Amino acid sequence: TAGITQAPTSQILAAGRSMTLRCTQDMRHNAMYWYRQDLGLGLRLIHYSNTAGTTGKGEVPDGYSVSRANTDDFPLTLASAVPSQTSVYFCASSSTGTGGTEAFFGQGTRLTVV
Amino acid sequence: GQNIDQPTEMTATEGAIVQINCTYQTSGFNGLFWYQQHAGEAPTFLSYNVLDGLEEKGRFSSFLSRSKGYSYLLLKELQMKDSASYLCVCMDSNYQLIWGAGTKLIIKP
Repeated sequence: TAGITQAPTSQILAAGRSMTLRCTQDMRHNAMYWYRQDLGLGLRLIHYSNTAGTTGKGEVPDGYSVSRANTDDFPLTLASAVPSQTSVYFCASSSTGTGGTEAFFGQGTRLTVV
Repeated sequence: GQNIDQPTEMTATEGAIVQINCTYQTSGFNGLFWYQQHAGEAPTFLSYNVLDGLEEKGRFSSFLSRSKGYSYLLLKELQMKDSASYLCVCMDSNYQLIWGAGTKLIIKP
């Protein structure tokens, strides 16, 4: 069973270039999330989607955009990458966006912007 | 503001017991999670508490006191594979998850 899959696993990107991080889940979860994880900090929410067709901004949305055309896919786009976007990016999903439902995470994308 | 506090690092001995504390201040409260994250891997779910008290799950237990804004994760019979970071996470009134920075637990033989 795949669960939630991210691609690529890692990437080195030149500053100013654009890139889309892909995320796909096969659990039919309504809610999906993009986080970044930096050393010494908790996971920070970039964008989220509670259901297909809707998205919302998290704690650190600037420089990122998302779309949710269907239930399974939730791509994250960096329009013009900057070095401060160097981070590990995690996509996650949960059955609902409320209550005590656990979130399932992809394996992460390690992005280096140079 | 919203804040999660947990120790940065702890060290314990194989076979022993360790308690990882977490205090929180959030805008409303809809429960507290603990996640485990091994180095270079994704976080995985350990426990969820929304009512006061202790939830036991095998070697791991999680406690919550809502009035004190306090939780702990108790790990018994420590094994080397328990070396990981443990993340305390609160769900606020808007059902947003607020993540602590994590406690890195080092297990020594």
